[in-house]
Amino acid sequence: GENVEQHPSTLSVQEGDSAVIKCTYSDSASNYFPWYKQELGKGPQLIIDIRSNVGEKKDQRIAVTLNKTAKHFSLHITETQPEDSAVYFCAAPQGNKLTFGGGTRVLVKP
Amino acid sequence: NAGVTQTPKFQVLKTGQSMTLQCAQDMNHNSMYWYRQDPGMGLRLIYYSASEGTTDKGEVPNGYNVSRLNKREFSLRLESAAPSQTSVYFCASSERDGVEAFFGQGTRLTVV
Repeated sequence: GENVEQHPSTLSVQEGDSAVIKCTYSDSASNYFPWYKQELGKGPQLIIDIRSNVGEKKDQRIAVTLNKTAKHFSLHITETQPEDSAVYFCAAPQGNKLTFGGGTRVLVKP
Repeated sequence: NAGVTQTPKFQVLKTGQSMTLQCAQDMNHNSMYWYRQDPGMGLRLIYYSASEGTTDKGEVPNGYNVSRLNKREFSLRLESAAPSQTSVYFCASSERDGVEAFFGQGTRLTVV
């Protein structure tokens, strides 16, 4: 089955700096890679996703890059703001379901 | 548009009690999922339903049962709660195969 590993588990950045979270996956047939943001006491919320036919996708301050050969994908947050503080999860599909990484707790220090 | 609605939001059970967690979605999605999230851990899949009328086990199904009541509703039942089932439970739905999955706000369950 699909195995998704996510690093780092915690990330502390200064406001205005960039944050990068990396995930690796095992199933070469995977073709959809979402990123979720979870704020305290809330459910995960989809913030960006990428399909296997593109290498990069941007949405304002967030971007996701995909390297299918190496089987890894990354989330990039630029110009971080305090409201970016949250737990971020990557995921990859396994048949009809999603397998999630272990999560990264991001703290943006003002 | 409510999205995915879970009830209850909080619950305390005694060991051995039973209860059903309810989930409903109004997005006409085919697939629905139940995950559990333990402190400091990621999301682990308990059961899922790829389409109305089908259910399948996920990574951690022991101690749980599910029912896909109709296209909108997917319930999770604990027949005999155990302290190890203390967790936050999330329901999610997607059109298919986990693509663009939406999550509910969660049910925080404590078993004492």
